Amino acid sequence: DIQMTQSPSSMSASLGDTVTITCLASQDIGNYLSWYQQKPGKSPKLMIYGATNLEDGVPSRFSGSRSGSDYSLTINSLGYDDEGIYHCHQYYEYPLTFGSGTKLEIK
Amino acid sequence: EVQLQQSGPELQRPGASVKLSCKASGYTFTEYYMYWVKQRPKQGLELIGRIDPEDCSTDYVEKFKNKATLTADTSSNTAYMQLSSLTSEDTATYFCVRSWEYWGQGVMVTVSS
Repeated sequence: DIQMTQSPSSMSASLGDTVTITCLASQDIGNYLSWYQQKPGKSPKLMIYGATNLEDGVPSRFSGSRSGSDYSLTINSLGYDDEGIYHCHQYYEYPLTFGSGTKLEIK
Repeated sequence: EVQLQQSGPELQRPGASVKLSCKASGYTFTEYYMYWVKQRPKQGLELIGRIDPEDCSTDYVEKFKNKATLTADTSSNTAYMQLSSLTSEDTATYFCVRSWEYWGQGVMVTVSS
């Protein structure tokens, strides 16, 4: 199975900051990588798909990038609504797998 | 509008079984796989498996092969997941997911004596 190593596991940032979350794939997954945001008690919400494509309705402050096997989610101009858990997800090969999640707290 | 409506929370005893439902609407049920995902408290997401409602063929992640059974009823556009021989390790929220864009609201299963 493809392992997705996500870091950091948690982070705290201030309003207006820029943060980056990364996932390292254990083997090639092409651009078959998505990012989800999850709020407490809610289901995950798709934010980025195809490594770099913004889902409809997601603010342009969110962006995805790839460098080799490293995939990153960057959030600019942090707002309180960005607080939550972010998950990466590879859908290149079955069984599809997820990173362990990053809890983002806004100070 | 695509909607996946899951059944309500469950409290079960160890050793019991439970059957969860996921009623789909807003699209043609047989045209998309339905996936099931497990999320233990304060933990990440795990794929359990998927079902093709067109022919009810299934794929399970190895660790869930003796735990979960996926079925689908095309007459009611509903997918089901039965979990057997419940233990505390099965205490989690379970989601049904279509095409990794549409998620059910999740159902909390608590296993406790």
